[in-house]
Order: sequence, then C-alpha cells, then structure tokens
Amino acid sequence: EAQVTQNPRYLITVTGKKLTVTCSQNMNHEYMSWYRQDPGLGLRQIYYSMNVEVTDKGDVPEGYKVSRKEKRNFPLILESPSPNQTSLYFCASSFLARGSTDTQYFGPGTRLTVL
Amino acid sequence: GQNIDQPTEMTATEGAIVQINCTYQTSGFNGLFWYQQHAGEAPTFLSYNVLDGLEEKGRFSSFLSRSKGYSYLLLKELQMKDSASYLCAWGDYKLSFGAGTTVTVRA
Repeated sequence: EAQVTQNPRYLITVTGKKLTVTCSQNMNHEYMSWYRQDPGLGLRQIYYSMNVEVTDKGDVPEGYKVSRKEKRNFPLILESPSPNQTSLYFCASSFLARGSTDTQYFGPGTRLTVL
Repeated sequence: GQNIDQPTEMTATEGAIVQINCTYQTSGFNGLFWYQQHAGEAPTFLSYNVLDGLEEKGRFSSFLSRSKGYSYLLLKELQMKDSASYLCAWGDYKLSFGAGTTVTVRA
C-alpha cells in the first residue's frame, strides 16, 4: 500500500530534550516536506527536500533540522525543543512536476507536546 | 512570504452548493492547490490549478484567475461527509497554506 508513515504518532517531552520524528514514504517520491499545524494559523512549511542531500527552508525553520540521506526517509530533528514547538506535525511527499510539486500525500501526523 | 486569505467558516445545507474563495498575493510561476482535511486527520488532495479557468472533478470544481490572484473551490450536491476544513495552498516547491475554511453541512 502506498503510504507516508510517521513515528511517533504522539509524544510528550520536556524542554531541551532532543527528539527525532521519523518520516518514510514507499512511493519513490523525490519531494518531501514537513509542516506544522496550529489553530488559526493553518499549515506552515518547516523544511522541504527536492531529492537526496537537497534540503531547503520553508517559512518556519527556526529550531528544526532535517536530513535526507535516503530517498524514502526525511527525519525532523528538534535539537532543543521548547514549548512553542508544541504542535501537530505532518510529513508529506510527492513527485516533482514541472515548476512545482505534484499531488502531496500526507502522513497521519505527529502530535507533539513540549512541557 | 505569501499572503493567502480564505474565509474562516461556512455553513450550508445538504444538497446545496458552496463556494470557498481564496485570494493570494504573490508573483512568479506557481500553482494553486486545494486540500480537504477532516477533523483529526491528514489533508488529502482535491485539485491543482496552474492555468486560468475551471477544472471539474465530479462534485468538486476549482477555478483560478492568476491575473486577479483569485481561486475558488465549488462543492456541489453537498453531503454530510463534506463537512471538513478546506485548505488553499499556493507555491512551487515552497508552499504556503491559507488557514483553512471549515465547512459545516447541515441536514
């Protein structure tokens, strides 16, 4: 089954404790992206990647890191989480269309709480 | 960044038609996406417009006017299951989403 998976689905942690949220897709997509979703603000892009070893900042990259060592995986790293990073996080992937992304497939989401 | 505006909430009756408008302020070659998101779930793709005009897909249609910075999503023959949030997104590889329009369908 074609899908985007994220782990963990739920996480409660404390300020400053490094964490990684994994994202994996099995559709051979070139493009992968991370978003956070907060009430009233909608989805905001954190980082995106157009292929292996190619990553770029979205609108809200501060406090986050990513890596793309393999095509299928795109982990999101919070080196020192803070309470303002409490949010719902989505990973997405797609093929690349001319000049844009194609249909993005979203993972199920990771609800993160930083105390 | 890019400013994308859409109404916060809309309510309609089962079987009716609802039009969700989206306006944006940006430039360059981009496309406009519409996604549907049910409460507690991930967004799912509805439509993508890169050229001006209307794209029809069953009960859902999407329109784009690039010169006016305007798009709309038209939902016809509304069903209860269409109650969801509808997200407008603009961009190329770097995407900006509107805050979403929550549509409530009433019997």
